[in-house]
Amino acid sequence: DAGVIQSPRHEVTEMGQEVTLRCKPISGHDYLFWYRQTMMRGLELLIYFNNNVPIDDSGMPEDRFSAKMPNASFSTLKIQPSEPRDSAVYFCASSDHFEQLQHFGDGTRLSIL
Amino acid sequence: AQSVAQPEDQVNVAEGNPLTVKCTYSVSGNPYLFWYVQYPNRGLQFLLKYITGDNLVKGSYGFEAEFNKSQTSFHLKKPSALVSDSALYFCAVRERDGYNKLIFGAGTRLAVHP
Repeated sequence: DAGVIQSPRHEVTEMGQEVTLRCKPISGHDYLFWYRQTMMRGLELLIYFNNNVPIDDSGMPEDRFSAKMPNASFSTLKIQPSEPRDSAVYFCASSDHFEQLQHFGDGTRLSIL
Repeated sequence: AQSVAQPEDQVNVAEGNPLTVKCTYSVSGNPYLFWYVQYPNRGLQFLLKYITGDNLVKGSYGFEAEFNKSQTSFHLKKPSALVSDSALYFCAVRERDGYNKLIFGAGTRLAVHP
């Protein structure tokens, strides 16, 4: 099992640019979660999907953030336009209904200059 | 709503000594409780969970946790700490929305000194 795969691992871009973070969940998992981790705010849940359908996006900080899950094996988190305060580590996690525990990817470290 | 609290930002312990990382919870109904560990530049890794059954749960890397319903606690323990146990530890409770959403605590940084 390859685990949850996130890309890129690091992203450095200038303010105002569009950023796209990618996630491949574990095969067979029906839940996918996007988190953001910063020193100031800790670990925050942004949005999660069940069977590719967004269930709760109340954690998405602004309209600049959007997430999609076009199929069971791929999800994206986009920030447009990006701002320096979006700098953080973004994690994707997946789980299945029976096991009930979340498996995390190793994250994308995003720096907005 | 479900919640967890980790009252200590940091725990310091000498190598070879027992360690405890504290977690208390607030839930309606029976809790589903989890511990995760995060090493530098890595995602969170599952350590152990309590769903039902024995109050003492054994997990990975020699860790265990004791579920205490009367004190609403789920403290993480290890009899003999290793320097390699130094990491960030998160307690979590499953939200009762019918989905697999977890509510995480703020995290406790464990530092094990040689």
